[in-house]
Order: sequence, then C-alpha cells, then structure tokens
Amino acid sequence: GESVGLHLPTLSVQEGDNSIINCAYSNSASDYFIWYKQESGKGPQFIIDIRSNMDKRQGQRVTVLLNKTVKHLSLQIAATQPGDSAVYFCAESPDSGNTPLVFGKGTRLSVIA
Amino acid sequence: DVKVTQSSRYLVKRTGEKVFLECVQDMDHENMFWYRQDPGLGLRLIYFSYDVKMKEKGDIPEGYSVSREKKERFSLILESASTNQTSMYLCASSLGPGHSNQPQHFGDGTRLSIL
Repeated sequence: GESVGLHLPTLSVQEGDNSIINCAYSNSASDYFIWYKQESGKGPQFIIDIRSNMDKRQGQRVTVLLNKTVKHLSLQIAATQPGDSAVYFCAESPDSGNTPLVFGKGTRLSVIA
Repeated sequence: DVKVTQSSRYLVKRTGEKVFLECVQDMDHENMFWYRQDPGLGLRLIYFSYDVKMKEKGDIPEGYSVSREKKERFSLILESASTNQTSMYLCASSLGPGHSNQPQHFGDGTRLSIL
C-alpha cells in the first residue's frame, strides 16, 4: 500500500496542470515498453504501451513518448486529477515480451487540489 | 478484462511455517509470474512459468518454490518462512510466448508478514 511510495522520487503537480513522468531504460535492444499505475493498496494497473517502431502513442489523457537515441521514455498526463495520484512504473521488454519485463523503480505522483 | 485474483490480501505467519500463496487468472494466459515488492527495491521477480508444470527461476528464487498444475493457477510456496520474507507479493499473467508485445496483468497483491 502506502509503503510502495517510500524512497521514491516524487512529483507534485497542481490539479489541472499537465504531468510528465520520466523513465530511463537500460537495454538498447528493448523493443516494447509499458507504463503502469499503482494506487495505494492495489496492484500495478496497465495504462499504455508503445512499440519501438513508434515515437509517440496517445491514449485517453495520457501520451507516451519514446526516444530510442537516449533510451528515454516519458508519460504525459493531461489535466491531472486527484485520482491520478499514484506510483507510476515503466517497464521494458528485451525481446517483444517473451521474457519477463524489466521494471523501473517508479515515481510517485502527488496531485495538489 | 483480465482478472488476476490472489487468494489473500493480508496474511500473518510464523517463522518456520510453510506458506502457500495462491493466484488464479481467468483469461487462459500461458505466462504467469510471482514478484515481491519492497520499498526502495521495486518489483523483483521470484519465479515465472510459461506453461503447466513448467517453471523458471527469476532474480531472487532462494527460499521459494512454485507449482503450476493447472494453466489458470500459479502457487508460490515459502518452504520455511523467515522474517526477511515479509513483503508485498504480486502475481501477474500475460498471453504467452506465441504473442509478442503483450503487457502483464497484475493481481492486487498479498501483504505477508512473518513474525
């Protein structure tokens, strides 16, 4: 639950503003990436994914950007709401998902009402 | 929607006990995974399975074993529980080796305390 967020980088955002959560991945051969959201007391929930042949993918209020040159992934949340408060993880797949995902440590997003 | 169900949300056991954590998924997924999640350490893979009766060691298998007798069920076993196994345990599933670029779907976790 709440202990998931301890020791994590924290991003505090005013309600209504846009949020940008960043992730550096390690393996240049990774070709599939996922963002998860974990709310207190729950398991990680799939938000959006992107394949390495894309630079950008949009969902509802969320956009994922992939920069393969610098091995960087970001999650943009538009018009952040209190319900967006959670820990966000990125994950990379070294071989299209046939071996286990490698997860980042996570970033805690705190929305200020 | 994929449903991954972990049998217990909270569990308290004593040192030396044999502990079983159960996980069931309802989407006919071939892959199943067990992780533990600790503050500052993120998600760490304990064991995973690509098919019935198959198992593979993850990053931290010591002190654990698993059982996959049926496709939908993946059990994590603590052979002799120790206090350093107090943690949040998360089960996940995904489609399978024949399906690339598919996310894992997680259960809500079991918070296990070993006294």
